[in-house]
Amino acid sequence: DTAVSQTPKYLVTQMGNDKSIKCEQNLGHDTMYWYKQDSKKFLKIMFSYNNKELIINETVPNRFSPKSPDKAHLNLHINSLELGDSAVYFCASSQRGQAFFGQGTRLTVV
Amino acid sequence: DAKTTQPTSMDCAEGRAANLPCNHSTISGNEYVYWYRQIHSQGPQYIIHGLKNNETNEMASLIITEDRKSSTLILPHATLRDTAVYYCIVRDVNDYKLSFGAGTTVTVRA
Repeated sequence: DTAVSQTPKYLVTQMGNDKSIKCEQNLGHDTMYWYKQDSKKFLKIMFSYNNKELIINETVPNRFSPKSPDKAHLNLHINSLELGDSAVYFCASSQRGQAFFGQGTRLTVV
Repeated sequence: DAKTTQPTSMDCAEGRAANLPCNHSTISGNEYVYWYRQIHSQGPQYIIHGLKNNETNEMASLIITEDRKSSTLILPHATLRDTAVYYCIVRDVNDYKLSFGAGTTVTVRA
């Protein structure tokens, strides 16, 4: 029973398309995150939500729009995809500092 | 805004202890030391955290110096499956931001 699950695991799409990545956690955590890991392997925080409210937005282009319908879900919608958006995107949840990560979504924009 | 300094890489022999250092000279009183690791192509995995006392769990031990300016993660009997990037993170437990630096790439060799 996966604690933090993301779908899809792989996503290949053309430039200009709009796509969504879904994330669900069954840990009862209040805080959820989206991270981007590019080809240089740096993990960069994009967004943090606490109790469905946006807490952190790390100067991410507004083409990226997170949506939290409830505490257990934090989805990431990306408009007008660009080549530079190709990366692995990780969702995570945490409570009191200890975070659990999903297995990642590898997004390839062609 | 790196709060920690870690060696870029280190090698370890299988079956031996791996000692991973981390400097965090500007750590404040409310901040904990967290360790995560990322095995290739997987999401980061929580290992251990501590405030000032040494901590041990089934994965590792964490030794924090008395002045809290540095710490060491100890993997007591490294296996090939411990090959990963290890991240040392300093963070207030109530802080919503969980930021990753470059980490230490640990390679366990047979």
